[in-house]
Amino acid sequence: EVQLVESGGGLVQPGGSLRLSCAASGFTFSSYWMSWVRQAPGKGLEWVANIKQDGSEKYYVDSVKGRFTISRDNAKNSLYLQMNSLRAEDTAVYYCARGRVEYSSSPVKYWGQGTLVTVSS
Amino acid sequence: DIQMTQSPSTLSASVGDRVTITCRASQSISSWLAWYQQKPGKAPKLLIYKASSLESGVPSRFSGSGSGTEFTLTISSLQPDDFATYYCQQYNSYYWTFGQGTKVEIK
Repeated sequence: EVQLVESGGGLVQPGGSLRLSCAASGFTFSSYWMSWVRQAPGKGLEWVANIKQDGSEKYYVDSVKGRFTISRDNAKNSLYLQMNSLRAEDTAVYYCARGRVEYSSSPVKYWGQGTLVTVSS
Repeated sequence: DIQMTQSPSTLSASVGDRVTITCRASQSISSWLAWYQQKPGKAPKLLIYKASSLESGVPSRFSGSGSGTEFTLTISSLQPDDFATYYCQQYNSYYWTFGQGTKVEIK
């Protein structure tokens, strides 16, 4: 059974930093593109970042470029999102996500339960 | 960046109704479009990929069509479990975008 379990969310002040983690199990982690998708309270879905299987390619939504860094550790079956210079508008539930097929960027088939990040003073 | 525009934003319908949601892309995305269903407090669920391919386990009352810039999601006969919010998503490039969502409410 595919499982994605996020951790690391919480309350942080504007300008602060937070590192999200996602522990993956039940599939060959190193074969899949992985993604972070967020959802602000009462709002729609927003894609945040994608990372290729070997970490050699990374893509970000414009609003987080230069502030957020997606990374992965295939030996630990883990995905990460380092978030710096956090703003109030980054407040959201952050989902770890896996595509439906190996070796290509594809729509999200599996989602984690989400972790809430709140940026507030 | 590719913008995705869904319509309507809210839809009121009754059980048994045929429901259609439209998604327009700001430029051609071929058939690289997915549809998701989301219920309150839950992660989204993939319904349709590549514009018209039904994800495994999804009821056949859901169907998708379109290519290029205009796409539709159709629910042939709305069931009580289908009241939810629906999102389209383009994956034509590695920079994904979602539509703003369509909430399907009970009439």
